[in-house]
Amino acid sequence: EVQLVESGGGLVQPGESLRLSCVASGFTLSNYALSWVRQAPGMGLEWVSAIGGSGDRTSNADSVRGRFIISRDNSKNTVYLQMNSLRAEDTAVYYCAKASQGGTYAATRGDYFDYWGQGTPVTVSS
Amino acid sequence: DIQMTQSPSSLSASVGDRVTITCRASRTISTYLSWYQQKPGKAPKLLIHSVSSLQSGAPARFSGSGSGTDFTLTISSLQPEDFATYYCQQSYTLPWTFGQGTKVEIK
Repeated sequence: EVQLVESGGGLVQPGESLRLSCVASGFTLSNYALSWVRQAPGMGLEWVSAIGGSGDRTSNADSVRGRFIISRDNSKNTVYLQMNSLRAEDTAVYYCAKASQGGTYAATRGDYFDYWGQGTPVTVSS
Repeated sequence: DIQMTQSPSSLSASVGDRVTITCRASRTISTYLSWYQQKPGKAPKLLIHSVSSLQSGAPARFSGSGSGTDFTLTISSLQPEDFATYYCQQSYTLPWTFGQGTKVEIK
């Protein structure tokens, strides 16, 4: 059974950092890209960042580029999201989501998110 | 970025009703369109990918159609467990973008 379990969320002040983790099980993590998708309170879904199976290809949304870094440790079946210089507008539930297609690219045309974690909440407030 | 616009933003319907939700892309996305269902406090769940391919485990009352820029999600006979928010998502080009959601409520 495929499972994705996020952790690391919490309350931080503007300008601070936080690292989220997503532990995967039930599939070979190194074969698939993973993304982080966030949802601000009462709002819709926003794709944030993606990483390819081998970890050397990444892509980020403009809203987080230069502040968030996605990485992975396939030996630990874990994907990370290092979030720096956090802003109030980064407040959201952060989900990790498995891409449907295998490969080394962070994102492939035709991808869809076939499994999601339960999410971890991040609140940025003074 | 490709903008995805869903309509309506919300709707009220009764059990047994046929429900249609539309999703329009700001430019062509071929058939790279997926639909997700989200219930309050839960993660989104994949329903349909590639416009019309039903995800394993999704009920057959859900169907999708369209191509290019205009797409629809249809629920043939609304069931109590279908009351939720539905999102479309394009995977034609980065950044992946979602529609704003359509909330299906009980009439």
